[in-house]
Amino acid sequence: GAVVSQHPSWVICKSGTSVKIECRSLDFQATTMFWYRQFPKQSLMLMATSNEGSKATYEQGVEKDKFLINHASLTLSTLTVTSAHPEDSSFYICSATPNLAGGETQYFGPGTRLLVL
Amino acid sequence: DAKTTQPTSMDCAEGRAANLPCNHSTISGNEYVYWYRQIHSQGPQYIIHGLKNNETNEMASLIITEDRKSSTLILPHATLRDTAVYYCIVSRDTGRRALTFGSGTRLQVQP
Repeated sequence: GAVVSQHPSWVICKSGTSVKIECRSLDFQATTMFWYRQFPKQSLMLMATSNEGSKATYEQGVEKDKFLINHASLTLSTLTVTSAHPEDSSFYICSATPNLAGGETQYFGPGTRLLVL
Repeated sequence: DAKTTQPTSMDCAEGRAANLPCNHSTISGNEYVYWYRQIHSQGPQYIIHGLKNNETNEMASLIITEDRKSSTLILPHATLRDTAVYYCIVSRDTGRRALTFGSGTRLQVQP
């Protein structure tokens, strides 16, 4: 099946620093990737939709200047959490769908756990 | 996308079939039924999806009622590694649309 990877798998940083999370589709190309986050004991919530070669679309309440998304190629999207604060501590998960005719299944990465001290 | 209703939690004995129900009474004709699961501290894993017909793959079977208002995910021989939160999601064209996750069903497989 299609594989999506994320790097790093976990990160601890100091408040005020920036953290970059990579999402890669390993064996397929994806024009669209999605970024979700999940707080403890809650379900996944969509943060933004990332489209290759264009600006990301952010969900209401998600600050685009704080969560920078770059989708520079068909296999890589990055999420940068700028000036991270403890309330940004969460589990960040990306997903992607293969650019195939009739491609209709999203595949998820393993997630990145961020802890901001 | 149509809303779904799932039981909050279920238990199943190891080796037995696990039947996870999902109601989606407002489903539209062009919406698929997807099942994903999330094992603790991991990203969601795709299990199976269907439109009208029942589907089976190496992981599970999906039974969709004729009126498409409900479905059941069947894990034929549950193992301890199947303990997870199972999400039933109804959506059209998921290649271009994000998935809306509800609370899911927490399945606990007992030894």
